This record gives sequence, C-alpha cells and structure tokens, in this order.
Amino acid sequence: TQLLEQSPQFLSIQEGENLTVYCNSSSVFSSLQWYRQEPGEGPVLLVTVVTGGEVKKLKRLTFQFGDARKDSSLHITAAQPGDTGLYLCAYLRRETSGSRLTFGEGTQLTVNP
Amino acid sequence: GAVVSQHPSRVICKSGTSVKIECRSLDFQATTMFWYRQFPKKSLMLMATSNEGSKATYEQGVEKDKFLINHASLTLSTLTVTSAHPEDSSFYICSAWQLGGGVFEQYFGPGTRLTVT
Repeated sequence: TQLLEQSPQFLSIQEGENLTVYCNSSSVFSSLQWYRQEPGEGPVLLVTVVTGGEVKKLKRLTFQFGDARKDSSLHITAAQPGDTGLYLCAYLRRETSGSRLTFGEGTQLTVNP
Repeated sequence: GAVVSQHPSRVICKSGTSVKIECRSLDFQATTMFWYRQFPKKSLMLMATSNEGSKATYEQGVEKDKFLINHASLTLSTLTVTSAHPEDSSFYICSAWQLGGGVFEQYFGPGTRLTVT
C-alpha cells in the first residue's frame, strides 16, 4: 500500500506570512491531487499534478510535483484567514475492482488575522 | 460543477438505534459512489465503494453488517449505521466521479455529522 505522509500536521501562522506544506512518499505516482476542506464541509479539489517537475499556480497557491513523482508541495504566499482549512494530498489507488482515492494525513492550517 | 448532496447534514440518535444517510448526485448519474469517515482534525478514511445495482465493496476492517450500503439508483446511495454506538459518532462524507473538462474528477458531498448519545 502506498502511503502519503504530510507535514507539518498542524500549522498556525499570522496573516501575510508564507508557508509550505509537503506530501511525501517512497512510491512513484502517476498523479497527485490537492484538496482543501473547510470545517463541516466536504473536500474541494484544488489541483491535479501529473508531470514530474510540474509547477501549477492557483492565485497565491503554488503546487509542485517532484521530479521523481514521489512527492509534492503546496506553497501559499501572503496567507489570509480565508486560507484556513485542512489541506489534503491524495492519489488514485488502482485495483482490479476499480480506482479508489486515498488521502494523506492532512495539514491543518490556521491563519490568524 | 457537479454537485453531490447529503441528507441529513446533522443527526443525533440514541445508542442502539439505526440511522440512514443519503447521498445524491445532482444533475448527473453516478454508477459508483464512495463513503468516507472522518474524525476531528483527521483525514478522510475510505469505508466502502457503493456500486449501483450490485453489492458494495468494503475496505478492510469495515463491518459490512454495521454499515449497510444501498445504491438502488444512478443518483442515490444510502449508508445505514445499524445499532449505532457512541464510537460511531463521526463525520460521514460521500463522493462520486463526474466527467469534467475531459477528465474524471471526484466530487464530495458536504458531509453528515452523526452524534450517538
């Protein structure tokens, strides 16, 4: 079973600061996804990274897929209170009975005003 | 984008009773839906895959007799927590695949908060 390790597990910062969260594994992935989940809601897809070394930007969020496709990072510039939430990386686990989306342990981000 | 709804959003039940949670795909058909469980400040844990017209596939360690799944139509899957106990209290989330922008994406419902007293 491939395992996704996310770090840090918890992060509390002040508004305006920059931060990076990591998603690591010893396995190679064809793609990785990042989701954000706000309290009391379901996760929402932010991005899918497919190519090794790929960098994708979504406003103040920058996602990078490692060259070896074993890890990914999410960098947030000038964090805002609205960025508060649980950030999850995930991969598609392929089995004979179908594909299953499997999540990392998550990074709980709190941005204080 | 595709929308997945859940009902109820919150439910409180007494120990020993059963609770049914509905998951609906709005404006699209979903032959496969997924049920996840989430504890506070933790990640989502896949419980089972709900297959329209056939039996659900449960993940290892999930009791199929405890968590009954029915996928009777292409837009509705239900999860019934039978003989609920306080340790079943959790946030339950369903999801479904939908083709969007040429690729399949998984859309999640807003979740159901179950509290067993």
